Amino acid sequence: GEDVEQSLFLSVREGDSSVINCTYTDSSSTYLYWYKQEPGAGLQLLTYIFSNMDMKQDQRLTVLLNKKDKHLSLRIADTQTGDSAIYFCARNYGQNFVFGPGTRLSVLP
Amino acid sequence: SQTIHQWPATLVQPVGSPLSLECTVEGTSNPNLYWYRQAAGRGLQLLFYSVGIGQISSEVPQNLSASRPQDRQFILSSKKLLLSDSGFYLCAWSVGEYGYTFGSGTRLTVV
Repeated sequence: GEDVEQSLFLSVREGDSSVINCTYTDSSSTYLYWYKQEPGAGLQLLTYIFSNMDMKQDQRLTVLLNKKDKHLSLRIADTQTGDSAIYFCARNYGQNFVFGPGTRLSVLP
Repeated sequence: SQTIHQWPATLVQPVGSPLSLECTVEGTSNPNLYWYRQAAGRGLQLLFYSVGIGQISSEVPQNLSASRPQDRQFILSSKKLLLSDSGFYLCAWSVGEYGYTFGSGTRLTVV
């Protein structure tokens, strides 16, 4: 399988919470990241978590890291239509980065 | 502040024609520079990265090449484009492990 895996699609209703999941196989990374890509645009770094942390919260975003299970998640509270985008999980290896395939989040009114 | 410029935003080129995409970075010195390709409905594929002037590492064998003639300039080229070269090309830079900053991307369509 691929190094970093994500489900490809997620649909939620506006106002609900979204949880985007990511699993990885190589646990040597120092940091794990979440990026957001809006249609036709480049990627924007949303947040990152240091590998010795379990959780990081930043306003509506909560990142959870389970190192034992090699599982990373991004929770978006009170999801809005502007959150519709592709979300990429990534990990670093040295100076380079490995990205997952991206999860397309669709927010339904 | 640091910024990254990538152009053109869109490009339509015939099969067999050459390609040159340019990326420049401002507000930082000696960044690591990267070229990624995002094919339709797929994730990001690292094509090239550079840790300094004239230093290019290729991740995937293909008919593309990259050059770094100046510290903050990264160029993606091809002598003859293939249909399979169509995609969304992203330039990025990083300093250390604190994530990338991406350019706005170039959508290349080879016809």
